[in-house]
Amino acid sequence: NAGVTQTPKFRVLKTGQSMTLLCAQDMNHEYMYWYRQDPGMGLRLIHYSVGEGTTAKGEVPDGYNVSRLKKQNFLLGLESAAPSQTSVYFCASSFTPWETQYFGPGTRLLVL
Amino acid sequence: GENVEQHPSTLSVQEGDSAVIKCTYSDSASNYFPWYKQELGKRPQLIIDIRSNVGEKKDQRIAVTLNKTAKHFSLHITETQPEDSAVYFCAANSGYALNFGKGTSLLVTP
Repeated sequence: NAGVTQTPKFRVLKTGQSMTLLCAQDMNHEYMYWYRQDPGMGLRLIHYSVGEGTTAKGEVPDGYNVSRLKKQNFLLGLESAAPSQTSVYFCASSFTPWETQYFGPGTRLLVL
Repeated sequence: GENVEQHPSTLSVQEGDSAVIKCTYSDSASNYFPWYKQELGKRPQLIIDIRSNVGEKKDQRIAVTLNKTAKHFSLHITETQPEDSAVYFCAANSGYALNFGKGTSLLVTP
């Protein structure tokens, strides 16, 4: 039982490049979330999903896209990376919005 | 979006003292209030949560209180230990998501 895993752990991109971050959970959770964490800013919600095939915008969705084709996976895409997207990205999942969210280990992204 | 304000941003206490972190929220429909602890370089992990049908919840040295009328909730850590040093986040649900406070960096000095 791996819980929530994220791939990759660390990535360096040049401005304008694209990439996809993968989140996987093996707890059969319906809800999945992508956050970014910047110093002094807490955890800000980018996008979330309430079930397979659904996605919704969070607080800071601009510049990101997501897909939830399978219940256990939630992908976060950056089509054209910008230095402002340098951050630590956390994925999380839960059974319901009113229960524990389990976080992945994070992906550290540096955009030059 | 709905805001969660958290204070203080940093807190330094001596080992054995108590620590209190306070949060306020704006969404009157919020009914779930978790607290997460994040150690340096690690992922956030839930330490305690409270729902709107209770005013207080305790788990060993950690307690959380909720005042729905005033829209504020607090985390209390008693008999602090060096391993309590971390960043603590409060959160409140809004719709299908959680809104997090900006965090409190707690340092417990021996």
